[in-house]
Amino acid sequence: QLQLQESGSGVVKPSQTLSLTCAVSGGSFSSGSFSWGWIRQPSGKGLEWIGYIYDGETSYYNPSLKSRVAVSIDRSKNQLSLDMNSVTAADTAVYYCARGLRDGMSHYFDLWGQGAQVTVS
Amino acid sequence: SYDLTQPPSVSVFPGQTASITCSGDKLGEKYAFWYQQRPGQSPVVVIYQDNRRPSGIPERFSGSSSGNTATLTISGTQALDEADYHCQAWDTSAHVLFGGGTKLTVL
Repeated sequence: QLQLQESGSGVVKPSQTLSLTCAVSGGSFSSGSFSWGWIRQPSGKGLEWIGYIYDGETSYYNPSLKSRVAVSIDRSKNQLSLDMNSVTAADTAVYYCARGLRDGMSHYFDLWGQGAQVTVS
Repeated sequence: SYDLTQPPSVSVFPGQTASITCSGDKLGEKYAFWYQQRPGQSPVVVIYQDNRRPSGIPERFSGSSSGNTATLTISGTQALDEADYHCQAWDTSAHVLFGGGTKLTVL
């Protein structure tokens, strides 16, 4: 059964770069109708979409974060990555990686990692 | 920007029906998706494409959508349904949108 596991920088200093990876077990970052994305959730708040990638190279980002974010897949390592630069305290959140199912006008996340806490301080 | 609006909280007695709404401009022309998130856990999709239920999700969960509003309905609410519920849509720019989330309290 496919599982996702986030890892990376737990504490990041302001103005520096946040880097997270998402490893897949029980499968691979296949393309086709799947996308691979990142979503975050500040403590006590709602979900915020960060970005996703599909076909290994086509990516979309939340307009409010686009200038600071990059999502990529390293198939040799079977890893999904997130880099976010110029972080501030407002970027403190639990960060989730997730698999998306795309079909015409339908796109939702059917598989989520357990989440990784990132604190900017 | 396109926003999805949910009530911050909804309360329901056990066995009763809970309805959680999600509003957005012409939301009925897009698909709506619903996630359940129990405390300390990752979100789980309970409704996709407005009214379809993934395997393993109890029949008491249902969804509908019309006009500017999508609705998640939980019939015969149980204590274990107490959780945060998030709506999601996908716009024509291929961007993912989330509502602010609704905390469901089972009294």
